[in-house]
Amino acid sequence: SFVLTQPPSVSVAPGQTATLTCGGNNIGSRSVHWYQQKPGQAPVLVIYYGSDRPSGIPERFSGSKSGNTATLTISRVEAGDEADFYCQVWDPTSDHPWVFGGGTKLTVL
Amino acid sequence: EVQLVESGGGLVQPGGSLRLSCAASGFTFASYGINWVRQAPGKGLEWVSGIGGRGDSPKSADFVKGRFTISRDNSKNTVYLQMTSLRAEDTAIYYCAKEGKYSSLFDIWGQGTMVTVSS
Repeated sequence: SFVLTQPPSVSVAPGQTATLTCGGNNIGSRSVHWYQQKPGQAPVLVIYYGSDRPSGIPERFSGSKSGNTATLTISRVEAGDEADFYCQVWDPTSDHPWVFGGGTKLTVL
Repeated sequence: EVQLVESGGGLVQPGGSLRLSCAASGFTFASYGINWVRQAPGKGLEWVSGIGGRGDSPKSADFVKGRFTISRDNSKNTVYLQMTSLRAEDTAIYYCAKEGKYSSLFDIWGQGTMVTVSS
């Protein structure tokens, strides 16, 4: 099945911009979604179809993708953004259609 | 309010069985696929199994095939995950998650239910 690669950790100071990446073969041609999971909580969808935001998600969260990399960008990072972030793609032709990346822990310094 | 509530988790011995339930409310249940995603302690998210809105197209990850069975009862707005031949490596929080309009994403998640397989 499809493999997604995320860096284990990213650290950023408050007010700065966090850039989280998700690598996969030709991921730019796929539907990519991002989830935020705070400690002890269920995941929450924060970006879908690469760059769309569900209602209630701050505009500080944005997404993009190109070639073999999808990117989640969080501007003006706040302490409350600290969480694990997972990318996910869907391959309807596969016996394992929903694939998650290994996750990136975002630490706000 | 759109909501998913899991139940049925607990402590079970290796080789044992459990049935998880996912009760839904706040949306047209039969119109959406529901999936189970698990998270072992300190680990990432892992898709386990999914089923279409009408009970069609059930799929499961290779590591649970032949052991876990997903089903749904649309009259009760509930999805089930019957787990048998449980192993220590099945220990995890099990979340149910609702597919979005075009299936590719999960837009609503339950709070999860913990399954611990240990003697």
